[in-house]
Order: sequence, then structure tokens, then C-alpha cells
Amino acid sequence: EIVLTQSPGTLSLSPGERATLSCRASQSVSSSYLAWYQQKPGQAPRLLIYGASSRATGIPDRFSGSGSGTDFTLTISRLEPEDFAVYYCQQYGSSRGGTFGQGTKVEIK
Amino acid sequence: QVQLVQSGAEVKKPGASVKVSCKVSGYTLTELSMHWVRQAPGKGLEWMGGFDPEDGETIYAQKFQGRVTMTEDTSTDTAYMELSSLRSEDTAVYYCATEGVAGGFDYWGQGTLVTVSS
Repeated sequence: EIVLTQSPGTLSLSPGERATLSCRASQSVSSSYLAWYQQKPGQAPRLLIYGASSRATGIPDRFSGSGSGTDFTLTISRLEPEDFAVYYCQQYGSSRGGTFGQGTKVEIK
Repeated sequence: QVQLVQSGAEVKKPGASVKVSCKVSGYTLTELSMHWVRQAPGKGLEWMGGFDPEDGETIYAQKFQGRVTMTEDTSTDTAYMELSSLRSEDTAVYYCATEGVAGGFDYWGQGTLVTVSS
């Protein structure tokens, strides 16, 4: 089973700053099968990025994903007030299942 | 546009079973790959299992094998997740979610809180 480790656990930033979130896999993951989600309190997760770098429908272009192999990154270029939330990476697809990382909380500094 | 509407909150005693439903609208269930994800209070997301379109079978996370059953009623476009031998650690919000053709889980139900308490 693939284990995803996200870092840091918490990121304290101010609106307008750049956020860089990391997701490291215990073994190589096909870029086609890596996703990022945003979750706010009391809400279901929202798909942001699929295929490591493709934005889901309606996702602003300040969100971008990159990486390959075992190292993946979610970047929020300029934090808006509504971006403060918890972010999860996930590997998925066929028999790979849908393992999630433990999450990174982006909080207001 | 896919909409997923889940059944209401449940309170169960340890050792019991729970069955959560997820009603699909906007598409038929046969057009979708349905998955189930849970989230314990204050914790992260945990994938439980889902439909593998390549094999045409449902696959389960190793942690839940033998205790979870995911089924579908295509006549009503409703998916079900049944978890047995409940223990307090199973207290969580349970979500159904669809796997998009392009990848990732693109549509989610509103979640169903299952509380296991004696």
C-alpha cells in the first residue's frame, strides 16, 4: 500500500502570500493518478487538481500542481481569505485505491 | 451535473451494523465509479473502497476487508455502504464520492455522521 506523507502539518501565512504544500509517496505514483483537495470545516472535500497538474472545473488559476514520481507539490500563488483550509493529496486509480495524505492546514498568520 | 444525496445520521451500538445510502441524480449509477471515504472527528480523510472500472469490481481498503460491503441498486441509482461489527473508532462522517473520467473524486455527497456508542 502506498503511503502519502504531507508537509508541513500546518502552514501559517498571510493573505497575498505564496503557499507551497508538499506530498511525498512511499513508492512511485503515476502522475496521472495524483489529486489534491481542499476541505473547509463542516464541508465535503473539493477536488482542486487531478493528474498531478490539471485544475478541476471552476478552480482558480492561482492553484497549481506539479511533481512526478514520489514528490508532488500544490502551490497557491497568492492566498485569498477563502483559501485558508485543510489540503489533502491523494493517489488513486484502479487497483491502487484512493489513499489520502494526512493533510496540511493552511491558517492565517 | 452529478448530485449525490446521502441518508441521515445514525447512532449505533458497538457490534451492530450500519448501512448508508447515496442517491445519484444527474447521471445514472452505471455511468459512474462510486467510492466511499470516511473522516473521524478532527481527523483526515480515509478511503474505504470503491468501484474499479478496469476490472468491473469493487475494491476495498485492506483495513476494512471483511467488514465492509459496497453495493449498488441501478434501478434506483442508489449506492450503499454497509459496515459491520462497529466499534467506537468507526464514529465518523462517511462520504460517497464519484471518480471522474479524467481523474480524482470530483463529486461528493454531503456526508453521513455515524456515531457508535453504548
